[in-house]
Amino acid sequence: KQEVTQIPAALSVPEGENLVLNCSFTDSAIYNLQWFRQDPGKGLTSLLLIQSSQREQTSGRLNASLDKSSGRSTLYIAASQPGDSATYLCAVVDSNYQLIWGAGTKLIIKP
Amino acid sequence: DTAVSQTPKYLVTQMGNDKSIKCEQNLGHDTMYWYKQDSKKFLKIMFSYNNKELIINETVPNRFSPKSPDKAHLNLHINSLELGDSAVYFCASSQGQVGKLFFGSGTQLSVL
Repeated sequence: KQEVTQIPAALSVPEGENLVLNCSFTDSAIYNLQWFRQDPGKGLTSLLLIQSSQREQTSGRLNASLDKSSGRSTLYIAASQPGDSATYLCAVVDSNYQLIWGAGTKLIIKP
Repeated sequence: DTAVSQTPKYLVTQMGNDKSIKCEQNLGHDTMYWYKQDSKKFLKIMFSYNNKELIINETVPNRFSPKSPDKAHLNLHINSLELGDSAVYFCASSQGQVGKLFFGSGTQLSVL
């Protein structure tokens, strides 16, 4: 059974730092992996989608990597800003087309 | 223009009542979902429809009944509401079952 884990559950860093959020999954048979952010009281916004055949995707200051063989993905945020404060979730589409979610990492960027 | 819109945004009701939440997407997607996010912020899939057909039906009380009148709409009707139904309910859509997921802004349901 596919399981997705995100560590740490919470992270607080000073503004301007580069940071990495981690996501791991137990079964490498996935179609894709997606990173989302959720602001308090709001819905989820898709940030990046990495197909199983891809190694990374970039959007602005965000870079997501995927290593299927080790069951890991990272979300790299460059030059963090207070507006990046949110909960970041990763999810994989497994071999049964089910979207399996991590519990999220709550990120706080201190001004 | 909102891509995935759900109404109402807030719903406060008494135990035992029946209520509906509506969802519409204007992205031309063929797959729509209902998720429940509890107080611990865990997201749990409830239902998924592809081309108006039910494809995912997780272990959810049969008091919850989804209805998809067309590909752009997926409504959720809840009978005999219970205290434990209080949560935020999110609608989402994607193109195919492996497409990028787009979420609505959520409906916060409070059962008193």
